[in-house]
Order: sequence, then structure tokens, then C-alpha cells
Amino acid sequence: EVQLVESGGGLVKPGESLRLSCAASGFNFRSYSMNWVRQAPGKGLEWVSSITTSGSLVYYADSVKGRFTISRDNTENSLYLQMNSLRAEDTAVYYCARVSGQWVPVNWGQGTLVIVSS
Amino acid sequence: QTVVTQESSFSVSPGGTVTLTCGLTSGSVSTSYYPGWCQQTPGQAPRTLIYSTDTRSSGVPDRFSGSILGNKAALTITGAQAHDESDYYCVLFMGGGSVVFGEGTKLTVL
Repeated sequence: EVQLVESGGGLVKPGESLRLSCAASGFNFRSYSMNWVRQAPGKGLEWVSSITTSGSLVYYADSVKGRFTISRDNTENSLYLQMNSLRAEDTAVYYCARVSGQWVPVNWGQGTLVIVSS
Repeated sequence: QTVVTQESSFSVSPGGTVTLTCGLTSGSVSTSYYPGWCQQTPGQAPRTLIYSTDTRSSGVPDRFSGSILGNKAALTITGAQAHDESDYYCVLFMGGGSVVFGEGTKLTVL
């Protein structure tokens, strides 16, 4: 069974940093590209970032480009999202997702909540 | 900027059939967008029902089906049940490694 477990969320002040992790199990992690998707309170889903199987290619939404960095460790079956210069509008539940061949999320974690507030 | 459009809300009777759609403010949705459909109930993580237009995710009942209808992607639910009451998001592949979600359709079963 595919399992994705996010961690690392919490309450931070504007301008601070946070690193999210996603532990994957139940599938061959190194064979799948991965996404981060977020959902602000009461809002819809927003794609944040994608990474290819080897980590050689990464993609970002304009809203986080230059501030967030996606990475992965295939030896640890883990996905990461380093979030710097956080803003109030980054407040959201962050989900990691295993994607299909065309980047559409297929399996989701339960999410981790990030609150950016002074 | 192209925006993904969905009905804001829809209602279906128990046992009935409903078709939700996913379009673009500019252009048509085709299989080249590899449309997907995600279901989310309040307080829960999303669950992907359909990807690549019409491929059901593991464990998804065949009451849920995806297709292209005209210039839009479509999610059809047959034999609607009370627990189908959820928000439904379509998601489209936009090139590179990026996808875009629609704003979601709130489905009521009553």
C-alpha cells in the first residue's frame, strides 16, 4: 500500500524558514516523480512544486519560485520542501503526492499544516 | 492567463447521475492535458479518482468515470450515494512539470 507521511509543519513568523519532509513507503520511490500541493484554509488546491525521479529537474509555481526548494533522497525514500522567506499567504496544509507520468497527483499524504503569522 | 473552470456547485439526487465538467477560459481541454479528478471531503486529504482522462485510481468504483465531452473534461458519477457529497477538483497538465487545479465543484447529494 502506498503511504506518504508529511511532517515538519508548524507556526513560524513571516520571513522565517521551515523544512517539510515526506516519508514514502509501499512503492519504489526512486521510480516516481513527486509533487507538493498546498491548500490554504477554506480554499482550493494549488500546485507548488514538482521533482523528477532523479531530482535532476525541478519545477515551481510562480508564487514560490526563488523562495522554496524541492529535493529528494532516494536512499531514504524521502521528499523535502525547504521553504524560506515565508509569507502569510503561504499558510496552508501542504501535501506531498506521488504523480502519474504526466504529473497529475495520484496518491496523497495526509498533509502537514504550516501557519505563517506574527 | 488561462484559468481552469468548473461549476461552483452541483446537486444530484441519490441514485442519480451527474456530470461535472472542467474547461479552460481560453481553448479546449483535450487528452493532451491528461485531466485528472480529485475528491475531497472536509478535513480530509484529497483522493484522486481519475487520471489521464479516464484511468481510475486503485480502489475507485466504476460508478466514477472520466471522459472528454466536447471541449471539456468530464467526471460522471452514476448511482450517486450520500457519501459522494464532496468537493471535486479537476487538474490539468500544463507542460513541464506543472499542473493546474480548478477551483472545485461542491457536490450535494439530496
